[in-house]
Amino acid sequence: DTGVSQNPRHKITKRGQNVTFRCDPISEHNRLYWYRQTLGQGPEFLTYFQNEAQLEKSRLLSDRFSAERPKGSFSTLEIQRTEQGDSAMYLCASSPLWDSSRGETQYFGPGTRLLVL
Amino acid sequence: LAKTTQPISMDSYEGQEVNITCSHNNIATNDYITWYQQFPSQGPRFIIQGYKTKVTNEVASLFIPADRKSSTLSLPRVSLSDTAVYYCLEGGNTGKLIFGQGTTLQVKP
Repeated sequence: DTGVSQNPRHKITKRGQNVTFRCDPISEHNRLYWYRQTLGQGPEFLTYFQNEAQLEKSRLLSDRFSAERPKGSFSTLEIQRTEQGDSAMYLCASSPLWDSSRGETQYFGPGTRLLVL
Repeated sequence: LAKTTQPISMDSYEGQEVNITCSHNNIATNDYITWYQQFPSQGPRFIIQGYKTKVTNEVASLFIPADRKSSTLSLPRVSLSDTAVYYCLEGGNTGKLIFGQGTTLQVKP
């Protein structure tokens, strides 16, 4: 399977614990994105990388959240001191560099569903 | 805040053609229009993308008028498996996609 993969698919944790999610993008894609989705809402942008560089972070990404893409390949999203409000689906997506002839197309992984008790 | 406006929900029956229209009142010159489909507990899946006029692929058609203020996703002969949420988005080289609530399509037998 050459699509975007995410691990784990599900995570249950207690409030105050730290969690880390991993995303493996499509291998030739330079850009990698993280989104969060709560029930009944569309995905909300969190942050994105172009190769190793983190180019944009949303205000949703509080200081408890950190994302890395150390070698420009896979990425991790860590949430420290989790809160019940962090319960959501965390989606990763990847895309090739933007090309003005075809627009932005992002390919999403299956997501990691987080439940904070 | 989503830049597009689309109906919250639509119902259809198997075998019918479904058209979902989206408003793009402030679309930028460089923005493309893209539609995604999302099933429960899955990530969104790219369906189709266009800049203007008509685009067709194996699953859908996309109609964009000359003023680009709207777009219409057309799903021919829907089946139960087309029940999903459909999102229209506009974007250029900004990196992030801005999703609205989408249109929940319910296909009935």
